[in-house]
Amino acid sequence: QITLKESGPTLVKPTQTLTLTCTFSGFSLTTSGVGVGWIRQAPGEALEWLALIYWNGDKRYSPSLKSRLTITKDTSKNEIVLTMTNMDPVDTATYYCAHFSLRSYGDYVSSVFDSWGQGTLVTVSS
Amino acid sequence: QSVLTQPPSASGTPGQRVPISCSGSNSNIGTNTVNWYQQLPGTAPKLLIYSNNQRPSGVPDRFSGSKSGTSASLAISGLQSEDEADYYCAAWDDSLNGYVFGTGTKVTVL
Repeated sequence: QITLKESGPTLVKPTQTLTLTCTFSGFSLTTSGVGVGWIRQAPGEALEWLALIYWNGDKRYSPSLKSRLTITKDTSKNEIVLTMTNMDPVDTATYYCAHFSLRSYGDYVSSVFDSWGQGTLVTVSS
Repeated sequence: QSVLTQPPSASGTPGQRVPISCSGSNSNIGTNTVNWYQQLPGTAPKLLIYSNNQRPSGVPDRFSGSKSGTSASLAISGLQSEDEADYYCAAWDDSLNGYVFGTGTKVTVL
């Protein structure tokens, strides 16, 4: 059974750096085709993908936030860390981490976030 | 800044069939598979459909997905009160080199 859980501060001040940790179990981030990513959702808004790290260490970032994001992994601890610099009130959102599966089926490739954590609400306010 | 476009709302009475559309482009839906998520109020999204039309274990067969060209569709057959939720489509985007979500559709059971 795959489980993921986000942890980090619930309140950060503008201009500060946010550091979130995703602790997971039920899978290994050394398995080919596996990744862990971060998605956020501002209150009343749609889901927004932020970052993804693959089993082989490759990383992908949302182009609009790339300059502010860093994703790292600690395979021995089963942890993924996301840092976001220069936080602003518009970054107030629930932040989710999720298991990513990349599979090739011959004539097509499936890319999907298939298991999600419960999310953690981060408020940016002075 | 959602890349995939969905109608903001959809509704139906219990037992009805409700379709939800998702419009994209060649770099996402036109090239890659589509996934659908259900988000009940106050909870994390749950994978409903993956690879255009596959249901994860435990998802009722009332939910079905399809894809044609640069558009996809989710259908809820035999609508039930517990289906009242927000629904999101998603796909990998080769131009953005990232995962994109739809604008979301709120389904109301009348």
